[in-house]
Formats: sequence, structure tokens, C-alpha cells
Amino acid sequence: SQELEQSPQSLIVQEGKNLTINCTSSKTLYGLYWYKQKYGEGLIFLMMLQKGGEEKSHEKITAKLDEKKQQSSLHITASQPSHAGIYLCGADGHYGQNFVFGPGTRLSVLP
Amino acid sequence: DAEITQSPRHKITETGRQVTLACHQTWNHNNMFWYRQDLGHGLRLIHYSYGVQDTNKGEVSDGYSVSRSNTEDLPLTLESAASSQTSVYFCASSESRGEHNEQFFGPGTRLTVL
Repeated sequence: SQELEQSPQSLIVQEGKNLTINCTSSKTLYGLYWYKQKYGEGLIFLMMLQKGGEEKSHEKITAKLDEKKQQSSLHITASQPSHAGIYLCGADGHYGQNFVFGPGTRLSVLP
Repeated sequence: DAEITQSPRHKITETGRQVTLACHQTWNHNNMFWYRQDLGHGLRLIHYSYGVQDTNKGEVSDGYSVSRSNTEDLPLTLESAASSQTSVYFCASSESRGEHNEQFFGPGTRLTVL
């Protein structure tokens, strides 16, 4: 079965700093999703990547999927306290397989 | 606005009791999912459904059951609650099977089994 690993496990940055979170898959990714979870709340969809080399941005968050479609990165530029939370990557199993999530990266942004 | 809701938001029960967690979505999505989230394990899939009368076991289905009698609801039942089932439970829905669609999540139910 497909497994996702994320690094780092947790991250503390000063407001205004850039940061990157990585998600690595044991198998080729057919759909890679990034979610954000505020503490004690449900997950909020950020963006989805499908094609090798694809890159998407929303406000100060950019996500990339590598050409081999086994690794994705989430980059936050000029972090703000509102970016704090848990970031999870999730992946579509190829038809018939279950959706799986990575363990999450806990981000704290110090004002 | 379409949404996905869960009830109750918090529940405390005793070992051996039957517990049902409700999930209701107004997106008219075919797919619905139940996950549990635990420290050190992340989100793990319990059961899922691709449509009315369809249910499937996920990674950690033992001790749980679901039924899908309509599009909007997928209740999760713990037949005989155990302390190991203390967790936060999330329900999610998505549009279509076999296509790349994001899942929309409910706010979660925090269950404590004493």
C-alpha cells in the first residue's frame, strides 16, 4: 500500500521567514493534495497537484510536484501567525485504492 | 451553502457501550469517508462509501460499522466502545469515484471512552 512521509515533523519559525514542508511517497502519485488543519478543527483543502513538474500558488503558499511524481513540497513565503497549524499531504490511490494521508507537519509561527 | 456536519462534537462514553457518530453532507457527494486522527498515526481511514448501499472497510475498520441508506448521511457505529477507540473522528465527502477530487471535511467529533 502507498505510504506518505512528511518532513519536518514540526517547525517553529519567526514571522516573516520562509519555510518548506516536504511530502514523499513510496509510490507514484496520481493526485497529491495539501490540507491545512487548525488545532482542534477539520481539514481545509489548499491545493491539488496531478502532473509531474506541476506548481500551484495561492496567496503566499506554493506547492510543487516533482517530475517523477513521488515528492511534493509546500513552500510558504513570508510566514504569518495565521499560517500556523498542521499541514497534511494526502494522496489518491490509483483507482480502487484508498486515499492516504501523511502524518502531518505542525507549524508554529512566532510573532 | 453546502456543508458537512458532524454530531455530536464531543462525546464521553463508557467501555462496552454502543455509540453512533453522525455525519451529514449537503454537497450531494457520492463518496463519504470516516477517519480517525491520533497522535503518532495521523489520519487513518475507517470506512468509506461510494454511494447508497455501498460500504467498504478501510485501514482500521475493526470495531466499527457504517451504513449508507441515503446520499446525505453516513453514520459511524462503535458496536462496543473500547478505550483504544478514544480519538478524534472526521467525516469527509468527495464528488466522484475514480476522479481526482478533493475531500471536504467535517469539524470532527472528539470521543472519549472511559
